[in-house]
Amino acid sequence: DQQVKQNSPSLSVQEGRISILNCDYTNSMFDYFLWYKKYPAEGPTFLISISSIKDKNEDGRFTVFLNKSAKHLSLHIVPSQPGDSAVYFCAASVNAGGTSYGKLTFGQGTILTVHP
Amino acid sequence: DGGITQSPKYLFRKEGQNVTLSCEQNLNHDAMYWYRQDPGQGLRLIYYSQIVNDFQKGDIAEGYSVSREKKESFPLTVTSAQKNPTAFYLCASSMGRDNQPQHFGDGTRLSIL
Repeated sequence: DQQVKQNSPSLSVQEGRISILNCDYTNSMFDYFLWYKKYPAEGPTFLISISSIKDKNEDGRFTVFLNKSAKHLSLHIVPSQPGDSAVYFCAASVNAGGTSYGKLTFGQGTILTVHP
Repeated sequence: DGGITQSPKYLFRKEGQNVTLSCEQNLNHDAMYWYRQDPGQGLRLIYYSQIVNDFQKGDIAEGYSVSREKKESFPLTVTSAQKNPTAFYLCASSMGRDNQPQHFGDGTRLSIL
């Protein structure tokens, strides 16, 4: 059972435009969400996160939006740059007063290609 | 520089052999994790550990074993019981508390000869 889904395997965007990556989840207990960026043969790098008490979090060119009623989150990258080309994973966790040990459930990833 | 070190980068295993993947962190993180990534798939949790001498099975623990004798180290053994061991293995660590991201090493690619 895929609890976190990224339904778009790939996305192609022109440099300078907005990239929007989407993620859906089914477990209503998830209350902390993260986005990671991954280059080939490297480990994922943490980008940005959001707690379920918020609906938006911004960090420079990256903004994450959370729609709890739709169980949907998205990552906006503005403006997109060729160096943003990578695989992007969304992830989610259940905060349980520290007893979940920070376990994450990952989506399948979306390959973003930003063309010059 | 603080970080997570995985070694080796590439590893080859013969059929029927056990192999051990190393993971060391100097971030003073309490929790450590092992994931497996297969082509076109997300990361799947193999084992995780919150404190020294304690660890828990993740979603795909069969055929794997771990130990946590030191806070900094969390080695993963891929045993001969793992039927499809070829994959990219990633180690991560975190403070292990709510709303804390995990930080990853650069992975080990295991292939079967």
